[in-house]
Amino acid sequence: AQKVTQAQTEISVVEKEDVTLDCVYETRDTTYYLFWYKQPPSGELVFLIRRNSFDEQNEISGRYSWNFQKSTSSFNFTITASQVVDSAVYFCAPHTNAGKSTFGDGTTLTVKP
Amino acid sequence: GAGVSQTPSNKVTEKGKYVELRCDPISGHTALYWYRQSLGQGPEFLIYFQGTGAADDSGLPNDRFFAVRPEGSVSTLKIQRTERGDSAVYLCASSGGTVGSPLHFGNGTRLTVT
Repeated sequence: AQKVTQAQTEISVVEKEDVTLDCVYETRDTTYYLFWYKQPPSGELVFLIRRNSFDEQNEISGRYSWNFQKSTSSFNFTITASQVVDSAVYFCAPHTNAGKSTFGDGTTLTVKP
Repeated sequence: GAGVSQTPSNKVTEKGKYVELRCDPISGHTALYWYRQSLGQGPEFLIYFQGTGAADDSGLPNDRFFAVRPEGSVSTLKIQRTERGDSAVYLCASSGGTVGSPLHFGNGTRLTVT
């Protein structure tokens, strides 16, 4: 079974600050994918980024970047120069080759103007 | 194209009644998922379809819950003898079905059992 721990329940930052959201996961699969999703106040979950388990190269996409370390089972997500519109609940979700995603309980990010 | 559509958006029912929740996935998506989300928690996996068959139904909490996808497109989640603890937002998602495809979620159905 998979398990996801997002230790930060709530984070509050001021606009333009950088913020990192932590995720630690457990899985028995040797290959898998990792996702981050965003759930704004409107409620619809939206896919943000994806990382596969066999490539530890960290990436940047616009204001988003992520740090994947398989040895520590961590998949952290950073928003650079945060904006008020980034306020949402963020979920980390490992996804197995069998097709199932397991979600953490999320981190609520509040970006204040 | 259109996203994942879920109907109704809200459903209020009395304890003991039967309810059906409908999901219309993105056209061409072979994989379809049902999740349940309670306040302050992440989505909890219920069942996953690949085509018409249930590939994994390990998340269904008990035999009151059942889901079908008879033609490999629209899916219906059925809950018998509803209980107050079934109150939650029921989320449907679809994906292209290939390994690593992200999930595309609908807006959910908010079920309230009184």
